[in-house]
Amino acid sequence: DSGVTQTPKHLITATGQRVTLRCSPRSGDLSVYWYQQSLDQGLQFLIQYYNGEERAKGNILERFSAQQFPDLHSELNLSSLELGDSALYFCASSGGTWGRGYTFGSGTRLTVV
Amino acid sequence: ELKVEQNPLFLSMQEGKNYTIYCNYSTTSDRLYWYRQDPGKSLESLFVLLSNGAVKQEGRLMASLDTKARLSTLHITAAVHDLSATYFCAVGAEANAGGTSYGKLTFGQGTILTVHP
Repeated sequence: DSGVTQTPKHLITATGQRVTLRCSPRSGDLSVYWYQQSLDQGLQFLIQYYNGEERAKGNILERFSAQQFPDLHSELNLSSLELGDSALYFCASSGGTWGRGYTFGSGTRLTVV
Repeated sequence: ELKVEQNPLFLSMQEGKNYTIYCNYSTTSDRLYWYRQDPGKSLESLFVLLSNGAVKQEGRLMASLDTKARLSTLHITAAVHDLSATYFCAVGAEANAGGTSYGKLTFGQGTILTVHP
């Protein structure tokens, strides 16, 4: 167990629908990052939150949004889903000393049909 | 924009052989990370390299960082089948002043390593 918990592990949904992915960071970590992994795009950074505030944005579509709550868990909302949104979505957390690095959760595999 | 390039992208090795994966990046950074990923699984942290000249070893894997050349290497010694996986390098963004806040990671394309008997 890496300490970063993601739910659900698998999600199958239809085009046009909306889903929410959840992430609980490793204890003590204030930063949460969301990444999308697909065969054609590789590992793409979507968004970072630090202690409840948005810190950095990457290649995140307007149909996607995220937030980090006071208890530091984060949610990634994906709406108006398209077939091309099918991917593995990872959450990672970081914080504390530099040597702790970044820890990744087990991911949510999203399949849009 | 930071670019991270790995080569080779595909590596087929025989057991017992040695090889090196290269990771080049385009802007100054002294935070370089190596991860391993098995198919459909999460990213497992292998090495954290935080300064020029850093060298770390774990089992048959050794990683090094040359910040002047903007190059990190992952050397595999006497490969075994269990090392078959995809290996990613990633560069950490500069922290805020104060040094306790991480920025995002930018990943290379990944190197798919297959070790044959």
